[in-house]
Amino acid sequence: ETGVTQSPTHLIKTRGQQVTLRCSSQSGHNTVSWYQQALGQGPQFIFQYYREEENGRGNFPPRFSGLQFPNYSSELNVNALELDDSALYLCASSSGSNQPQHFGDGTRLSIL
Amino acid sequence: AQSVTQPDIHITVSEGASLELRCNYSYGATPYLFWYVQSPGQGLQLLLKYFSGDTLVQGIKGFEAEFKRSQSSFNLRKPSVHWSDAAEYFCAVAPDNYGQNFVFGPGTRLSVLP
Repeated sequence: ETGVTQSPTHLIKTRGQQVTLRCSSQSGHNTVSWYQQALGQGPQFIFQYYREEENGRGNFPPRFSGLQFPNYSSELNVNALELDDSALYLCASSSGSNQPQHFGDGTRLSIL
Repeated sequence: AQSVTQPDIHITVSEGASLELRCNYSYGATPYLFWYVQSPGQGLQLLLKYFSGDTLVQGIKGFEAEFKRSQSSFNLRKPSVHWSDAAEYFCAVAPDNYGQNFVFGPGTRLSVLP
């Protein structure tokens, strides 16, 4: 059973740039959620995708957007990067919106 | 809106000692409850979950948690801590309504003394 994989592992960007993070869900999972984890804090929910449709969104601005593909993999796109966007971005997949989520190791995004 | 509090930011215990990490939630109905562990630089690993039924649930690595509805609590316990248990622990809730999202607590960092 293949777990959740995220790419890239680390990324450095400058303010104003755009970034795309990728996530492959665990086999058999149709739901993908994205979280932002700032240093020393718990993960904050960004949004969730179920069968290619957005299925819930947290308190994040529209410059955070996403996609889910037919194979249930997903992308997180962030436009107009700000310094406060520096964080660990976690992807989690599950078999339903309130089922146990299985996390990848995250992408560490640093904004200079 | 639902919320999760973990009153202890940092706990230090000696190896072999018992452990209890506290978690309180705020939600109108009975949510789904989870405990996750995060080692430095890694993602979160599920320790255990509570959906319904027996209020004492067993998880991996010798952990257990007890759901107490009257106290809105879901505390994590382990009878004997190992040095490898040092990590960050997060409590999370998910409402039982479809389409709602997980809410994580701020985490408790566990240090283990030899």
